[in-house]
Amino acid sequence: SQTIHQWPATLVQPVGSPLSLECTVEGTSNPNLYWYRQAAGRGLQLLFYSVGIGQISSEVPQNLSASRPQDRQFILSSKKLLLSDSGFYLCAWNRLAGFADTQYFGPGTRLTVL
Amino acid sequence: TQLLEQSPQFLSIQEGENLTVYCNSSSVFSSLQWYRQEPGEGPVLLVTVVTGGEVKKLKRLTFQFGDARKDSSLHITAAQPGDTGLYLCAGAQTGANNLFFGTGTRLTVIP
Repeated sequence: SQTIHQWPATLVQPVGSPLSLECTVEGTSNPNLYWYRQAAGRGLQLLFYSVGIGQISSEVPQNLSASRPQDRQFILSSKKLLLSDSGFYLCAWNRLAGFADTQYFGPGTRLTVL
Repeated sequence: TQLLEQSPQFLSIQEGENLTVYCNSSSVFSSLQWYRQEPGEGPVLLVTVVTGGEVKKLKRLTFQFGDARKDSSLHITAAQPGDTGLYLCAGAQTGANNLFFGTGTRLTVIP
């Protein structure tokens, strides 16, 4: 069976500090991978998606970047965090590369920037 | 651009009542999915509808895809406190790698 992991689960960082959130998927190969940000109790904002190693598409200009160094690893980064980067970050994958199939979500990372 | 609008945004009802959540768009989707999310967790898929006019039932939940594949509804019969959560619709479009998520409906069922 497939599983998706995210860490850390929670993170409190000062403004201006760097960020690295990691997402890994087990039990599948060549998945589409996604990073979303969610404001409290609201819908999902797509930040990045990747259809393969080293292939990153950015949906929203921002202070963040993403990388996919391995097939089942997706990393969200920032060099200097802003207050507005606070939120709930979700990683997701789907089974059919290049097709908007059902997405399976990780447990999320709660980021608070102070 | 927000392709999918959900209504209502917030809904608080008593246990045993019925409710309907709407997901509307001016765009056509090849399929539409409904997810439920609990606080501090990722969304979990409830159902996928792919045919215009399709109706799917999942216990007390009834999902309908509009004939023109532009909208959908979720109806819950005899709501229970366990139904509390954030309900998200998401649409897929041909040729797109990502889903388009709705604005969300926060449901609270009071015992």
